[in-house]
Amino acid sequence: GENVEQHPSTLSVQEGDSAVIKCTYSDSASNYFPWYKQELGKRPQLIIDIRSNVGEKKDQRIAVTLNKTAKHFSLHITETQPEDSAVYFCAAGLGKLIFGQGTELSVKP
Amino acid sequence: DTAVSQTPKYLVTQMGNDKSIKCEQNLGHDTMYWYKQDSKKFLKIMFSYNNKELIINETVPNRFSPKSPDKAHLNLHINSLELGDSAVYFCASSQREAGKGYTFGSGTRLTVV
Repeated sequence: GENVEQHPSTLSVQEGDSAVIKCTYSDSASNYFPWYKQELGKRPQLIIDIRSNVGEKKDQRIAVTLNKTAKHFSLHITETQPEDSAVYFCAAGLGKLIFGQGTELSVKP
Repeated sequence: DTAVSQTPKYLVTQMGNDKSIKCEQNLGHDTMYWYKQDSKKFLKIMFSYNNKELIINETVPNRFSPKSPDKAHLNLHINSLELGDSAVYFCASSQREAGKGYTFGSGTRLTVV
């Protein structure tokens, strides 16, 4: 069935360093790949997304890359700040979104 | 002016009880979803309605029954609650043909004791 694998499950970086989270998906029909940030006790919020006809997208300190052939996509956060600490989820789908297991990012001051 | 609102925010109840969670969206979206987030944070889809029609029904016990009176509302009724039903339940909505991300509600933390 449809599956999205996300790694790592936890990630700890120093403030100012970069963070990379990687996902792979199984359904080759997937054409939409959003990333969500969930702070403790709050709802998941969309931070960036990419479609299958685009290989890379950037929005200030965050960027996503997509390799459709390998069915991989990644989130890159540069110049991390303590307020970036949260759980990040990737998702993939065509209508219905399947979520990865989540990555708990901790940015230490 | 909340886009997707859920009630109640917290729900503590005893095993065997029946409870309902309500969701409303004012974004004009045509599709609504219920997701369950367990203690390990995994977000698992349960149901989806498009214009009041059930389009996704994952492997969920029959004790869970969704109802969509109109495309702005999606409720979840749970019968005979069990300890394992304890989780955070998120409602979400999207405009299906736009193929864009979901907007999530604030979640309902259900605790079964």
